[in-house]
Amino acid sequence: AQSVSQHNHHVILSEAASLELGCNYSYGGTVNLFWYVQYPGQHLQLLLKYFSGDPLVKGIKGFEAEFIKSKFSFNLRKPSVQWSDTAEYFCAVNARGNNRLAFGKGNQVVVIP
Amino acid sequence: DVKVTQSSRYLVKRTGEKVFLECVQDMDHENMFWYRQDPGLGLRLIYFSYDVKMKEKGDIPEGYSVSREKKERFSLILESASTNQTSMYLCATSAGGTYTGELFFGEGSRLTVL
Repeated sequence: AQSVSQHNHHVILSEAASLELGCNYSYGGTVNLFWYVQYPGQHLQLLLKYFSGDPLVKGIKGFEAEFIKSKFSFNLRKPSVQWSDTAEYFCAVNARGNNRLAFGKGNQVVVIP
Repeated sequence: DVKVTQSSRYLVKRTGEKVFLECVQDMDHENMFWYRQDPGLGLRLIYFSYDVKMKEKGDIPEGYSVSREKKERFSLILESASTNQTSMYLCATSAGGTYTGELFFGEGSRLTVL
């Protein structure tokens, strides 16, 4: 079964700082990759996804993620964060042909105005 | 937009009580899932269903059961609630067919067991 690792569970940074959240997965086959975000008091929603093609994926609100197959990674980035990016971010992996989605433990990101 | 509706946002129950959490979706999705979300543990899959009357255990099924009598409705049942089942419960759905793994979530049901 696939597993997902997210490091640095709590991240605190100032507005305009750059953000990078790491995500590594353990599965040798073809995968679909996701980042979900949960803003305070709201439901989980999709931030971006990768199925195939260009390994650099752009999502909503200026976020992007890069799939590096050789490193089994799908790191999330944003060059300049805003206070409204305060949220919990989850990386998730689906092995092709498997109807499950495995989630990482999440990154709680707090952006200080 | 997909709408996934969970019946209760907040519940408080006593140890030993039977608890029903209901989830209804309006997008004709084949797959439905129940997760629990706990701080520092992320989302853990309890049960899922890929068709009416079909169910499969997830990673943490102990102490839970599910029911899917209609395509749009997926219920999570705690036969005898315990304090370690205090958690946020999330329902999610996804389309069947060529499954991509993309999930659509409900608002969540926060259960407190006293």
